[in-house]
Amino acid sequence: DAGITQSPRHKVTETGTPVTLRCHQTENHRYMYWYRQDPGHGLRLIHYSYGVKDTDKGEVSDGYSVSRSKTEDFLLTLESATSSQTSVYFCAISAEYEQYFGPGTRLTVT
Amino acid sequence: AQTVTQSQPEMSVQEAETVTLSCTYDTSENNYYLFWYKQPPSRQMILVIRQEAYKQQNATENRFSVNFQKAAKSFSLKISDSQLGDTAMYFCAFMTNRDDKIIFGKGTRLHILP
Repeated sequence: DAGITQSPRHKVTETGTPVTLRCHQTENHRYMYWYRQDPGHGLRLIHYSYGVKDTDKGEVSDGYSVSRSKTEDFLLTLESATSSQTSVYFCAISAEYEQYFGPGTRLTVT
Repeated sequence: AQTVTQSQPEMSVQEAETVTLSCTYDTSENNYYLFWYKQPPSRQMILVIRQEAYKQQNATENRFSVNFQKAAKSFSLKISDSQLGDTAMYFCAFMTNRDDKIIFGKGTRLHILP
C-alpha cells in the first residue's frame, strides 16, 4: 500500500463546468502522475510532477492543467469539462522504478 | 518513441490451466524496466511482476513468471495453475530509467472459467 488516495471517487458534472480532482500521498514521493483510462486505449499519461511546482505534460494534456504546491498533493483540473473527458482517472506515484496507483476516480461529463 | 503492443484483446481459459499473455515493445533504449499490471473488476491497478532489462534471468512471483526476450523485444506473462481470482485486465508496461514515465499497452482481458 503506497498510501495514495484520490478524491472524489465518483463525480458527475455538466459540460462547461470546472472540475478538480485531488491526489494525496502520505510517503513523500517525488514523482506523481495523472492518467486517464478509456476502453481500447489502456492508460494514457496526462501530466506528471517531479517535485513541488515542477510539472510537465504527458501525451494527452490538452484541456487539463495540474498543480503541486505541496509534496503530498497533486491536483488535476479540467478548466471547462467536455464529454470527451468522461473517463476513469488514476493518480500514481513512482518509487524505485515502480509505479503505484490510487483507486481511481470515475468522472462523467454530461 | 517507445510503444507497447498487446496483440490479444481478450482470452479465456479454464481454471487450473496455464495461460500466456503476449507483449512486444519498441525502444532504442538499452536500460529500461518492464511490468505487468493486473486490474480486477475493482479497478485497482496492481503490480504483478517487474523485469529489469539488464537482468537475463526471467522474473518470477509465485504462479506468475515472464519470458523476457530482449533481442526480440518480447515480454510475455505466464500464469500457472490459473485461478478464478486471476480474472482481470492485464496491462504490459515499459519505463526507461531516464524519466520515470510508464507507457502502457492497451491491455488483455483475461477470463478464467470455472
